[in-house]
Amino acid sequence: AQKVTQAQTEISVVEKEDVTLDCVYETRDTTYYLFWYKQPPSGELVFLIRRNSFDEQNEISGRYSWNFQKSTSSFNFTITASQVVDSAVYFCALSEAYTGTASKLTFGTGTRLQVTL
Amino acid sequence: DAGVTQSPTHLIKTRGQHVTLRCSPISGHKSVSWYQQVLGQGPQFIFQYYEKEERGRGNFPDRFSARQFPNYSSELNVNALLLGDSALYLCASSLYDSTYEQYFGPGTRLTVT
Repeated sequence: AQKVTQAQTEISVVEKEDVTLDCVYETRDTTYYLFWYKQPPSGELVFLIRRNSFDEQNEISGRYSWNFQKSTSSFNFTITASQVVDSAVYFCALSEAYTGTASKLTFGTGTRLQVTL
Repeated sequence: DAGVTQSPTHLIKTRGQHVTLRCSPISGHKSVSWYQQVLGQGPQFIFQYYEKEERGRGNFPDRFSARQFPNYSSELNVNALLLGDSALYLCASSLYDSTYEQYFGPGTRLTVT
């Protein structure tokens, strides 16, 4: 069975600090997809990134960067120079790649990030 | 383009009642999935529909059912509501199955009293 662990329940940082959100996953499949979503207080999940298991290149998008390490089954998310608008709950999720059948997202329990001035 | 829309936004029901939640996916998306998010937890998978057929079901009782219509919109039905059904119900649409980017709607907040 697949599982996603986000050990950090809550993180508080001061604006402009860098912060890394950890994500560790478990799966028996060799082909799978990893996702990060942001959930602001409004409640809507906002898609941030999708990464497949064969692509271990790190990705950078503005102040966001992701570090995928298959050897440690981790897919960590770093926000550089955090801003108050980054305050939200962040979820890491895993989807195994089935063909022709359902593939569901398995979410972690989320990390609440609080960025203060 | 419009994103995923869900209705209603909020709903208050009494134990034992029935509820229907609705979802319209992004135009062109053929897959709709439903998730339940209890306060303080990550979303839990309930159903996935693709091309109007159920492709998967999570670990939820038979009181939960869903369907997808020819225009790819979807309904989630919950019968005999329990207090524990109080949650945010999220609908997600994707082009094909959920290995693709899934885009979530704003959710329906269901409160069962």
